[in-house]
Amino acid sequence: TQLLEQSPQFLSIQEGENLTVYCNSSSVFSSLQWYRQEPGEGPVLLVTVVTGGEVKKLKRLTFQFGDARKDSSLHITAAQPGDTGLYLCAGGGAGGTSYGKLTFGQGTILTVHP
Amino acid sequence: GAVVSQHPSWVICKSGTSVKIECRSLDFQATTMFWYRQFPKQSLMLMATSNEGSKATYEQGVEKDKFLINHASLTLSTLTVTSAHPEDSSFYICSADRYTEAFFGQGTRLTVV
Repeated sequence: TQLLEQSPQFLSIQEGENLTVYCNSSSVFSSLQWYRQEPGEGPVLLVTVVTGGEVKKLKRLTFQFGDARKDSSLHITAAQPGDTGLYLCAGGGAGGTSYGKLTFGQGTILTVHP
Repeated sequence: GAVVSQHPSWVICKSGTSVKIECRSLDFQATTMFWYRQFPKQSLMLMATSNEGSKATYEQGVEKDKFLINHASLTLSTLTVTSAHPEDSSFYICSADRYTEAFFGQGTRLTVV
């Protein structure tokens, strides 16, 4: 069973602060995806990383995939109240399975206070 | 990005009845779709892999006779919760993969009373 350990599970910060969410596994994934989910809605894809060592930036969000493709991080700079939500990492393609068969981390509930 | 549509968005049913949830890929064909279940403030747990034209593959601990999956076409998979009970109340989400990415439906909130 592939497991993704996501931390922290809860994060409450003030507007303007920086934060990092981590996602670690003992398994190698072909791809790792980060999602954001609002209550009552499906997850929305933020980014997909597929190459070991890859770094992607999306405005104030920076995503990194570990060299061994077992871990990833999401860094948010100068967090804003609009960043509040559930952030999920998910690994796909482990053991040759379909990219769409995802193993999810436990999720991080981020609250940014004005 | 690709679009996956799920219907209904929410449903309330009585204990003992069955509920069908549809998952459609609107602008691409999906030979494989996935069904997840999510409890409040928790992550998504994979229930089963839906395969077009063949039987679904269920994850360990998921009752195949309770959660019936039918993937009748390249754009439609259905999940039927049979003889629903209050403990089946949850948020059910489907996804379909296209190339190296998974695209999710909006989810279905099932409440069994």
